[in-house]
Amino acid sequence: GEDVEQSLFLSVREGDSSVINCTYTDSSSTYLYWYKQEPGAGLQLLTYIFSNMDMKQDQRLTVLLNKKDKHLSLRIADTQTGDSAIYFCAESGGNNDMRFGAGTRLTVKP
Amino acid sequence: NAGVTQTPKFQVLKTGQSMTLQCAQDMNHNSMYWYRQDPGMGLRLIYYSASEGTTDKGEVPNGYNVSRLNKREFSLRLESAAPSQTSVYFCASSRAGGGTGELFFGEGSRLTVL
Repeated sequence: GEDVEQSLFLSVREGDSSVINCTYTDSSSTYLYWYKQEPGAGLQLLTYIFSNMDMKQDQRLTVLLNKKDKHLSLRIADTQTGDSAIYFCAESGGNNDMRFGAGTRLTVKP
Repeated sequence: NAGVTQTPKFQVLKTGQSMTLQCAQDMNHNSMYWYRQDPGMGLRLIYYSASEGTTDKGEVPNGYNVSRLNKREFSLRLESAAPSQTSVYFCASSRAGGGTGELFFGEGSRLTVL
């Protein structure tokens, strides 16, 4: 089947930038998403990007999409301890077919 | 708004026992989903319901059944629980027919099968 892959762990210092990377295999993906999961909670949508876009910026968050290489990244500027969570990359063709990566656990050290 | 509500939050079962996880959403969404989350494997789709009255298998449906009771409620049943079904289960909903396809998740139900 189609896969979404991301590294499992990332550790950064408070105030640094964090970059979480994701690769996917389905070339028909319409939407690509980043979800955030805090301890003991469900996933919440952080941001998304349409497949015809290269970049999307939303305050401290920057999403970059390289459709040719099927590579998606999430950059968090000025990372804070409150950003510590698991971040899931996901992709969908828009037909009840959302597929998730395994999640990247971001640890922010003071 | 409560969003997506799941019950119970925690459950311990013995092998062979049955149980039902309940899910309700108050956002008037058409589509509802059940996922399981296992370490290092992300979320895998068990079953989904694109609209009231329909259900379809996802990636890992074996050992589970679902019921879309009405537009608000979507339940997941384990008829004979196995240790391999130890997991965290998430219910989600989305607005079908346009939009970004964003999923709204419940807080999860942690199930342990001994």
